[in-house]
Amino acid sequence: ETGVTQSPTHLIKTRGQQVTLRCSSQSGHNTVSWYQQALGQGPQFIFQYYREEENGRGNFPPRFSGLQFPNYSSELNVNALELDDSALYLCASSRGGAGTQETQYFGPGTRLLVL
Amino acid sequence: AQSVTQLGSHVSVSEGALVLLRCNYSSSVPPYLFWYVQYPNQGLQLLLKYTSAATLVKGINGFEAEFKKSETSFHLTKPSAHMSDAAEYFCAVSDRGSQGNLIFGKGTKLSVKP
Repeated sequence: ETGVTQSPTHLIKTRGQQVTLRCSSQSGHNTVSWYQQALGQGPQFIFQYYREEENGRGNFPPRFSGLQFPNYSSELNVNALELDDSALYLCASSRGGAGTQETQYFGPGTRLLVL
Repeated sequence: AQSVTQLGSHVSVSEGALVLLRCNYSSSVPPYLFWYVQYPNQGLQLLLKYTSAATLVKGINGFEAEFKKSETSFHLTKPSAHMSDAAEYFCAVSDRGSQGNLIFGKGTKLSVKP
C-alpha cells in the first residue's frame, strides 16, 4: 500500500509569486486535508477536499486555494506569496468524508521558503 | 473554539526513565483525541487515538494515553524511554460532527539522554 506522497520536497520563492504544491493520497483514500506548520508551531488546518469539493476551511485567506482530482490527488495553490507563508505544508489523506473521524495519514511535507 | 494545550515545549528524560507528555483540551463535549510524532524533516505519524471506547488507549512503540474527562486531559506515557523516542510530539483534537479537521497543540520536543 503506497503512502501519502508530496512534491516538491523543498521550494524557494520570492514575495508576490505563486506556488503549487502537490499531494498523492494513500490508496483507497478519498479525502485530503492540507495543513501549514510554521517553524516551532503545530500544524494549522487550511482546508479539506472530499470527492473533488472543498469540505471545510480553516482561518486562511482566499489566496490559499486547492483542487482535488478524480484520482483523489490534490493541489494547494498559494497566490501573492508573503514572507509569513514560509512553512512546512503537510498533506493528509483519509477514508470517508464529512463528519467521519477516520485516521488522517500524513505525507512528508513540502518546505516552502519565501524570500 | 476548541483548543489544545501541551504543557512543556521541551521535555528531557534519561534512557529507561518514564516519559510523560501532557495534553489538555478545552471542549465540554469529549472530542476525538490523537497523539502524533514527528521526527526531524519528516511528516506526522499517528501514535494513538481516542474515539470513546476504552479510556486507556495503547499505541505503537510502547506508548499509551489515558482519557480523563474530569481533567479534560489526554496525557501520553511510556514506561521506559529509548533513544529512538527523541522527536516532537503533537496532541490533536477533532470535534465530533466536524469535517474531521485536526486542531493541534504547539508540540513538545522530547530529548532522551544516554
